[in-house]
Amino acid sequence: KAGVTQTPRYLIKTRGQQVTLSCSPISGHRSVSWYQQTPGQGLQFLFEYFSETQRNKGNFPGRFSGRQFSNSRSEMNVSTLELGDSALYLCASSLGLAAFQETQYFGPGTRLLVL
Amino acid sequence: AQSVTQLDSQVPVFEEAPVELRCNYSSSVSVYLFWYVQYPNQGLQLLLKYLSGSTLVESINGFEAEFNKSQTSFHLRKPSVHISDTAEYFCAVNNNAGNMLTFGGGTRLMVKP
Repeated sequence: KAGVTQTPRYLIKTRGQQVTLSCSPISGHRSVSWYQQTPGQGLQFLFEYFSETQRNKGNFPGRFSGRQFSNSRSEMNVSTLELGDSALYLCASSLGLAAFQETQYFGPGTRLLVL
Repeated sequence: AQSVTQLDSQVPVFEEAPVELRCNYSSSVSVYLFWYVQYPNQGLQLLLKYLSGSTLVESINGFEAEFNKSQTSFHLRKPSVHISDTAEYFCAVNNNAGNMLTFGGGTRLMVKP
């Protein structure tokens, strides 16, 4: 089975721009979660989508948004980029049926640099 | 609210020596506990998890962790480390609120020859 894939792997943007990151989960997985990883704040939960609906949301401003398609692929969007948005963005997928007990499978991440 | 504390940001150790990576959590409700490992330029991989039952859980590559409810700890141990164990290790909890992991700050394990 193919693992979680994320595109692009690397991205450079400037302040004020917006960016869209993509995540394809493992086949059969319906839950997709997004995390931001920075040296200062560590790993922080952004949001989770299950069956095209946002099921959980972390404590991030509204500039961070996401969506999930009928094939479970997910995108996250960051508008009006700030320097502090530079991070590794990780996507994780799971079956989504017994959420808190399930193993989440992580992709390799998208490294975003905001200049 | 829940939180996870990994007491050591870096742990240097010689090859074949034992190691313990410490993790403490705080939560007002039952938790499910996980250890993930991150190798350079890669995503996270699950090492092991505690959901219920035996408080000692093991991974396939020789790591083990023990859930201690009274001390709210979930320390990770390995009796003999290899160079290939060099990586960053993250402890995480999920408190029955959905697919939302709260991570500790990570511990960088550096195995020296």
